[in-house]
Amino acid sequence: NAGVMQNPRHLVRRRGQEARLRCSPMKGHSHVYWYRQLPEEGLKFMVYLQKENIIDESGMPKERFSAEFPKEGPSILRIQQVVRGDSAAYFCASSPMANTEAFFGQGTRLTVV
Amino acid sequence: TQLLEQSPQFLSIQEGENLTVYCNSSSVFSSLQWYRQEPGEGPVLLVTVVTGGEVKKLKRLTFQFGDARKDSSLHITAAQPGDTGLYLCAGFAGNNRKLIWGLGTSLAVNP
Repeated sequence: NAGVMQNPRHLVRRRGQEARLRCSPMKGHSHVYWYRQLPEEGLKFMVYLQKENIIDESGMPKERFSAEFPKEGPSILRIQQVVRGDSAAYFCASSPMANTEAFFGQGTRLTVV
Repeated sequence: TQLLEQSPQFLSIQEGENLTVYCNSSSVFSSLQWYRQEPGEGPVLLVTVVTGGEVKKLKRLTFQFGDARKDSSLHITAAQPGDTGLYLCAGFAGNNRKLIWGLGTSLAVNP
């Protein structure tokens, strides 16, 4: 049973480009969470999705950031017009239902140059 | 406001020593999870505690959930260099649907 798969592991983008981060949850998991982690700042919640629905996006910036979890395929975190401050590790986690333990992917390290 | 306070923030010890790290809150949690994160990797779930007063053991690691379900501790016996990492606690408070996270305890075990 494969774990949560994130790709790419490393992503380099120039300022102004778009970044697309992908997350395939564990088999049977329909709940996906995205987090951002900066050194010394801990995990910051961004968005919680359940198949085709955004349940909670309170941690996601209103502009340039969007997330989706289509009926088929991986969840996508999209960052438009990236800036240097977007450089961070982005982690995806999945769970089989709400309010249960989450399992993490290995993350995507985004570097904006 | 940090709902889950972890202490200490940093800990550096010698191989073979024992240690305890703490995860405290003023809120009641329906469950608490402990994760370990190594550099460059995602957090890995170690244990989930659900019942107040519950104690769970995982080899040399002992996890305890406070009676009031507001705090938890992780005790490591005879620490080894392989225990080095960031230990994070997280939990669901009340009807909150997203995990609340502590900032973690960064542990370094020196050979």
